Amino acid sequence: GENVEQHPSTLSVQEGDSAVIKCTYSDSASNYFPWYKQELGKRPQLIIDIRSNVGEKKDQRIAVTLNKTAKHFSLHITETQPEDSAVYFCAPRRGGSTLGRLYFGRGTQLTVWP
Amino acid sequence: ETGVTQTPRHLVMGMTNKKSLKCEQHLGHNAMYWYKQSAKKPLELMFVYSLEERVENNSVPSRFSPECPNSSHLFLHLHTLQPEDSALYLCASSQGSLAGGTSTDTQYFGPGTRLTVL
Repeated sequence: GENVEQHPSTLSVQEGDSAVIKCTYSDSASNYFPWYKQELGKRPQLIIDIRSNVGEKKDQRIAVTLNKTAKHFSLHITETQPEDSAVYFCAPRRGGSTLGRLYFGRGTQLTVWP
Repeated sequence: ETGVTQTPRHLVMGMTNKKSLKCEQHLGHNAMYWYKQSAKKPLELMFVYSLEERVENNSVPSRFSPECPNSSHLFLHLHTLQPEDSALYLCASSQGSLAGGTSTDTQYFGPGTRLTVL
């Protein structure tokens, strides 16, 4: 199966600073790269995703960049706010495999200090 | 949010009990999933159901038994669990089918059932 690693495991930033979380994966057949956010006591929710034919995607303060050659993709959050504090999971999906077989990373705990 | 609901939200059971977790999705999706979320571990996929087919993670013990009577409902039957089974059990649904899901098959999660096995 896919080997997924996220770095860092914890990240603390000051409000207004940027945060970057990196996800590396092992399966070169992966073709779908989502990021999920899970606030304390709540369910994981998709915040942004990217397909393998795109190198970067942006949605307001969040962006995802993909480097297929190096097999990693990153979540970028700019102008961070306290409500961005949560655990973030990457979940690359292998193309042509069992439906919905997302391989979740261990998560990154992001804390934004006011 | 009411797209994917789970009951109960909290469950405490003894090792000899039998209980069931319920999940219901109101999104018209074709696939449903059970995940286990333990502290400091990745989300672990347990079972996938799509159009009455089932795919399972072979590492899931037989004391967990899923049931999917239709595309909107999913159950997880529990019996003779162990304390290490204590975790948050998350249900999710997505649009796709096993016969060739799209590559952007977004999963929508329920709120989870916090299970404690004594």
